[in-house]
Amino acid sequence: RKEVEQDPGPFNVPEGATVAFNCTYSNSASQSFFWYRQDCRKEPKLLMSVYSSGNEDGRFTAQLNRASQYISLLIRDSKLSDSATYLCATFFGNEKLTFGTGTRLTIIP
Amino acid sequence: DGGITQSPKYLFRKEGQNVTLSCEQNLNHDAMYWYRQDPGQGLRLIYYSQIVNDFQKGDIAEGYSVSREKKESFPLTVTSAQKNPTAFYLCATTVQNTGELFFGEGSRLTVL
Repeated sequence: RKEVEQDPGPFNVPEGATVAFNCTYSNSASQSFFWYRQDCRKEPKLLMSVYSSGNEDGRFTAQLNRASQYISLLIRDSKLSDSATYLCATFFGNEKLTFGTGTRLTIIP
Repeated sequence: DGGITQSPKYLFRKEGQNVTLSCEQNLNHDAMYWYRQDPGQGLRLIYYSQIVNDFQKGDIAEGYSVSREKKESFPLTVTSAQKNPTAFYLCATTVQNTGELFFGEGSRLTVL
């Protein structure tokens, strides 16, 4: 089983809709969790950190479910500019970050 | 400007040649990382370093080498032993013991 798993998509969503996707992790001792956004052929950039039960930043909400070992990302009122690949990552052992393969999201006008 | 500079941005090499990718940072971050990204495979960790003169292998270190002689610099050498070197290489830094990575713009290596 992969340490971090994501549905690769693509998710094609109409503008203004709400979209959510999950990321599961295998190591129950993972301490912190992150969502990164990556535009096509660019470097990833941190979108949100999730240290406890969840985090909200404007239209974006990230939640952590430790019992079921997954984190989720919810995007409300989606914009065309939200089109990107969303990578989740977990932090193991205070040393290294492990990434999922990413979920590709396309917002359709 | 504060940040992470990777060079070159694009690199072509012939099979059997070694190549070194540069990563320089002026963020004063302790930890530095090298990731490789292939289509559909996400980011895979090659090497990382938490302090000067020390580094650890990541998940796919075979065929790669690094050095950390200065805090600001963490060059990656892709050797001829790496069987599939064509990829997008990303350098990242972080303050110690957090997962909040800052990435450089990446280097695209193509082996002809």
